[in-house]
Amino acid sequence: AQSVAQPEDQVNVAEGNPLTVKCTYSVSGNPYLFWYVQYPNRGLQFLLKYITGDNLVKGSYGFEAEFNKSQTSFHLKKPSALVSDSALYFCAVRDWGRDDKIIFGKGTRLHILP
Amino acid sequence: DVKVTQSSRYLVKRTGEKVFLECVQDMDHENMFWYRQDPGLGLRLIYFSYDVKMKEKGDIPEGYSVSREKKERFSLILESASTNQTSMYLCASSRTSGSRDGELFFGEGSRLTVL
Repeated sequence: AQSVAQPEDQVNVAEGNPLTVKCTYSVSGNPYLFWYVQYPNRGLQFLLKYITGDNLVKGSYGFEAEFNKSQTSFHLKKPSALVSDSALYFCAVRDWGRDDKIIFGKGTRLHILP
Repeated sequence: DVKVTQSSRYLVKRTGEKVFLECVQDMDHENMFWYRQDPGLGLRLIYFSYDVKMKEKGDIPEGYSVSREKKERFSLILESASTNQTSMYLCASSRTSGSRDGELFFGEGSRLTVL
């Protein structure tokens, strides 16, 4: 079965420093991978996706993610963190074996410290 | 601007009450989903629908039912609310699975408290 893991419940980063939010996946076919962000008391917003092509995917708000097939990882990155990036981040994978549903990780809370 | 609208942001209900959560999307999407979100558990799929009058169980359908009479509207029903159904409920929609890209559009969420 397809799955996605976010090993860190929380990540703290000082403003202006680079940030990384980790995600690893397990799929039986080609991985379709996604990152979503959730601000307090809001729904989830799509950030970026990897379907095929370049391993470095660029998304909204200056975020990017690096797809690494050998390490089965899809880490979210940003060169310089902003306080406004503080939010809950979800990694997700399409589950080819279950009606193409999207499977979400448990989320990583990102705190950017001023 | 594309939108998924959930009718109630905050609800407080009593144990045993019947609860309706409404979701409407204006993007002509075929697929609609209901998730619940709980701390430490992430998002769990309750029910989904790929077409009008069609519904499929997700991972945690017990205690819930759904209705999709029109393409744009997907309702989640709690027949007899219980305290363990206190949660944030998120509705989402997407284009047909044939597109394979899977981007979900979410509503703002409905925070339900069952007393």
